[in-house]
Amino acid sequence: NAGVTQTPKFQVLKTGQSMTLQCAQDMNHEYMSWYRQDPGMGLRLIHYSVGAGITDQGEVPNGYNVSRSTTEDFPLRLLSAAPSQTSVYFCASSYLRAGGGEQYFGPGTRLTVT
Amino acid sequence: ILNVEQSPQSLHVQEGDSTNFTCSFPSSNFYALHWYRWETAKSPEALFVMTLNGDEKKKGRISATLNTKEGYSYLYIKGSQPEDSATYLCALDTGRRALTFGSGTRLQVQP
Repeated sequence: NAGVTQTPKFQVLKTGQSMTLQCAQDMNHEYMSWYRQDPGMGLRLIHYSVGAGITDQGEVPNGYNVSRSTTEDFPLRLLSAAPSQTSVYFCASSYLRAGGGEQYFGPGTRLTVT
Repeated sequence: ILNVEQSPQSLHVQEGDSTNFTCSFPSSNFYALHWYRWETAKSPEALFVMTLNGDEKKKGRISATLNTKEGYSYLYIKGSQPEDSATYLCALDTGRRALTFGSGTRLQVQP
């Protein structure tokens, strides 16, 4: 199993550009989520999904879109990049089970917006 | 916005010392409490998921306890080793499946 994979690993964007961060998992997990990690702020939830066709907003959703057309994939779209979106982005997945399933994290994407 | 607090922010200990950290959360919002270990340049890895008041979990030299009534969890490391150096994160699941993370405790173990 590859686990959770993310592409690209690094990306530099200019303000106003759009792009999609890819996330895929091969563990048949129902739950997938996107976090951003900023210094001194820990991991903050952007969007999450409890299954194909179902998404919901997390703590910091503005400027980001998601969709979940398959169980395996959960792409994150930046609509019009801003310097405030410079961050490290982590995708995670888990089973939906009573009591909460442990999350498996991807390797991260380091995004710089100039 | 939920407030999940971790203390201390950072900790330096000597090899062989035992240590512990605290995670505090609003007890009224509790569904599950997660602990993760995050090494530099890697991804967070799950240590424990705890759901029951009074729950205790153990993995090698690392253990955790949970008090849902008063809203806190302790993580203990017995006989710290340099390879234990990492940031330890706790996260609260309120039942919406969306985790709220604390900002972590950064542990440095000096050989």
